[in-house]
Amino acid sequence: NAGVMQNPRHLVRRRGQEARLRCSPMKGHSHVYWYRQLPEEGLKFMVYLQKENIIDESGMPKERFSAEFPKEGPSILRIQQVVRGDSAAYFCASSPPSGKNIQYFGAGTRLSVL
Amino acid sequence: QKEVEQDPGPLSVPEGAIVSLNCTYSNSAFQYFMWYRQYSRKGPELLMYTYSSGNKEDGRFTAQVDKSSKYISLFIRDSQPSDSATYLCAMGRMDSNYQLIWGAGTKLIIKP
Repeated sequence: NAGVMQNPRHLVRRRGQEARLRCSPMKGHSHVYWYRQLPEEGLKFMVYLQKENIIDESGMPKERFSAEFPKEGPSILRIQQVVRGDSAAYFCASSPPSGKNIQYFGAGTRLSVL
Repeated sequence: QKEVEQDPGPLSVPEGAIVSLNCTYSNSAFQYFMWYRQYSRKGPELLMYTYSSGNKEDGRFTAQVDKSSKYISLFIRDSQPSDSATYLCAMGRMDSNYQLIWGAGTKLIIKP
């Protein structure tokens, strides 16, 4: 009964490099959400995806950030040319295809940009 | 004004005390309400889900919703040091079945 799986748990990048964060939703879940959390702050919605579709990316910076949820495989949050301000915890959540929007979270990926 | 207001704390109480955590909201269209618990350096974990006004109890936890006052609460009885965590409220509408609006979280510390 695997929950939401995120990897890597910790990711260190130098400024200008690319960061790829992966999220496998719970079995049977087709909705994926990405959030960013800074220390001592709340969750900030970034993007909501269903299989092969971006439904809402209103919380995602227009540049350098992209997300996908392909037909096969995990959802990917990609940050190009990382800067120090991208250092944060990135959480993925998933929910079932219909009914109540109860989101289940992964353990997060902590990105550190040197 | 934020749609959901939650005191960030920290709230420090002695072990065994009853804890009351609260959120207020401004949008009367919210229909369902959730409480999540987040331990340090971990992902949020769903604690309680409520759909209507009133109380819902689960073990030592009671969630209360007052839609007329736009106010929700989470009570923890017989608090334990292991309850020390950040508690986040979240709420949503059935006609917008993905968009949850989150409180900033209240940091709770239970002193042994």
